[in-house]
Amino acid sequence: GAVVSQHPSWVICKSGTSVKIECRSLDFQATTMFWYRQFPKQSLMLMATSNEGSKATYEQGVEKDKFLINHASLTLSTLTVTSAHPEDSSFYICSAKTGTSGLREQYFGPGTRLTVT
Amino acid sequence: LAKTTQPISMDSYEGQEVNITCSHNNIATNDYITWYQQFPSQGPRFIIQGYKTKVTNEVASLFIPADRKSSTLSLPRVSLSDTAVYYCLVGDRDNFNKFYFGSGTKLNVKP
Repeated sequence: GAVVSQHPSWVICKSGTSVKIECRSLDFQATTMFWYRQFPKQSLMLMATSNEGSKATYEQGVEKDKFLINHASLTLSTLTVTSAHPEDSSFYICSAKTGTSGLREQYFGPGTRLTVT
Repeated sequence: LAKTTQPISMDSYEGQEVNITCSHNNIATNDYITWYQQFPSQGPRFIIQGYKTKVTNEVASLFIPADRKSSTLSLPRVSLSDTAVYYCLVGDRDNFNKFYFGSGTKLNVKP
């Protein structure tokens, strides 16, 4: 089946620094990738939608200058958390979609645990 | 996108059948219903998807009544490893762009 990977699986950074999270579709080309954030004991919250070669679309309330998304190829999207603060500590999950249709065709990565100290 | 409502949590015992119901009163004609499972500190995993009536795969069944305003995920003979959060999502399968997760149902399977 389709596999999505994320790197790193966990990261600790100091307040004020930036951290980059990679999301890769390993065996398929992803026309669209999504980034979610999940706080402890809460549901996933969609942050942004990323289409290859175009600017990401951010959900209301998500700061695009703080959460930089780059979807440079059909197999890679990156999320950079700039000037991270402790409140940015969360579990970040990406998903990738094949083709142009299908809820079924969205595959999730294993997630990245970010801790800002 | 149709909003979904699920029970916050459910308890069960090993070997029992578990039914988790999801309400989606404003589901649209083209919307499909999809269920995901999530373990702590992992990404969601697809369980099953359906449009109407009944769908069954190797891990679960999905029952959808004729009015499609609700759906029920059925897990046969659960084990401790089925303890997880289960999410019901609704969206247009053929014109899908993104979807939003509801609160999900935390299933606790006890020995």
